[in-house]
Amino acid sequence: EIVLTQSPATLSLSPGERATLSCRASQSVTSYLAWYQQKPGQAPRLLIYDASIRATDIPARFSGSGSGTDLTLTISSLEPEDFAVYYCQLEETFGQGTKLEIK
Amino acid sequence: EVQLVQSGAEVMKPGESLKISCKGSGYSFINFWIGWVRQMPGKGLEWMGVIYPDDSYTRYSPSFQGQVTISVDKSINTAYLQWRSLRASDTAVYYCARRSTSGADYWGQGTLVTVSS
Repeated sequence: EIVLTQSPATLSLSPGERATLSCRASQSVTSYLAWYQQKPGQAPRLLIYDASIRATDIPARFSGSGSGTDLTLTISSLEPEDFAVYYCQLEETFGQGTKLEIK
Repeated sequence: EVQLVQSGAEVMKPGESLKISCKGSGYSFINFWIGWVRQMPGKGLEWMGVIYPDDSYTRYSPSFQGQVTISVDKSINTAYLQWRSLRASDTAVYYCARRSTSGADYWGQGTLVTVSS
């Protein structure tokens, strides 16, 4: 069973800054990796699928990249509404999440 | 509009049985996997299993095999998650989600299950 390890566990940044979130897989993955955003009290929202394709209505400041065992979610310039928890996912495995908090 | 609407919050006692539901609308229900995801208080997301409504083929994550039952009634576009005997450790929010090759693109609103004596 594949294991997904996200880092850092918590990322403290200010609005306008660039955020880089990492997801490392225990074995080389295909392109089916997805990223989700979850805000308190809400269901997760799909941001990125197939490692790099933005889901419907997702702003262009969100981008996914990487291949093999190292995948990255980048938020180019943080907006106040971007502070949330982010999860990577492959098949039926989620990473443990990265909390993006306001510095 | 694609929607997944889940049944309401439940407060249960240990040892009781429970079945929660997830009704899909706005798309061809039988042609997309439905998955169930657990989120324990303050914790991350865990896939429990998935079901393909057209033929009811079901796949469980190892941690949940034998602990829950996932089923579907395609005549009413509804998937279910069932426990035979709840434990306090089953207290969590449970989400259903539509799975496609593009990820879990639509989610239910979540069902809070509280198990307490």
